[in-house]
Amino acid sequence: QQQVKQSPQSLIVQKGGISIINCAYENTAFDYFPWYQQFPGKGPALLIAIRPDVSEKKEGRFTISFNKSAKQFSLHIMDSQPGDSATYFCAASKDGGTSYGKLTFGQGTILTVHP
Amino acid sequence: DVKVTQSSRYLVKRTGEKVFLECVQDMDHENMFWYRQDPGLGLRLIYFSYDVKMKEKGDIPEGYSVSREKKERFSLILESASTNQTSMYLCASSPSRQFFGPGTRLTVL
Repeated sequence: QQQVKQSPQSLIVQKGGISIINCAYENTAFDYFPWYQQFPGKGPALLIAIRPDVSEKKEGRFTISFNKSAKQFSLHIMDSQPGDSATYFCAASKDGGTSYGKLTFGQGTILTVHP
Repeated sequence: DVKVTQSSRYLVKRTGEKVFLECVQDMDHENMFWYRQDPGLGLRLIYFSYDVKMKEKGDIPEGYSVSREKKERFSLILESASTNQTSMYLCASSPSRQFFGPGTRLTVL
């Protein structure tokens, strides 16, 4: 069963626009929510992560919004650039992201930013 | 920089062959993971290991086995490859956050 559901499957945004990717989870034991970015031919790399004690985390142009009651979290990319074109994965972990680091991933979103 | 290397970028095998995928990390991480990545399904965990000679099944272990004889090396074994195992295989290691290798694209004919 898919414990983390991600949408949309693909997204096309104009340069300078805002990209928004959403994830929903089922397991209330999850307590660590990272986002990974994957460029073609590369493995995923950690982009930004949040824990449920905060509702928002911002790093540069990337922001995670977290809604614990709705069991949803989202990635916002402000001022999207062509270099942001990649596949994005949300994930969740129920060990605080510390012990085994075992993650459950969403299905992925292919983001294309047109110049 | 953390480096996770995988033995092959591309691999073509025939149905029924035994396939070994090798992963090596250079950061003395305790935990290592094998995932497969398929379009529309994301990354699904096959097996993970939190110590030498220790292994745990992930979400889709059927048809796979693993070996971890040394801390830096984690091998994924397909005992008898089938066409439905055609996929991208990703290895990761972590103390907590996961660092991924570049992946091996396996095609089973």
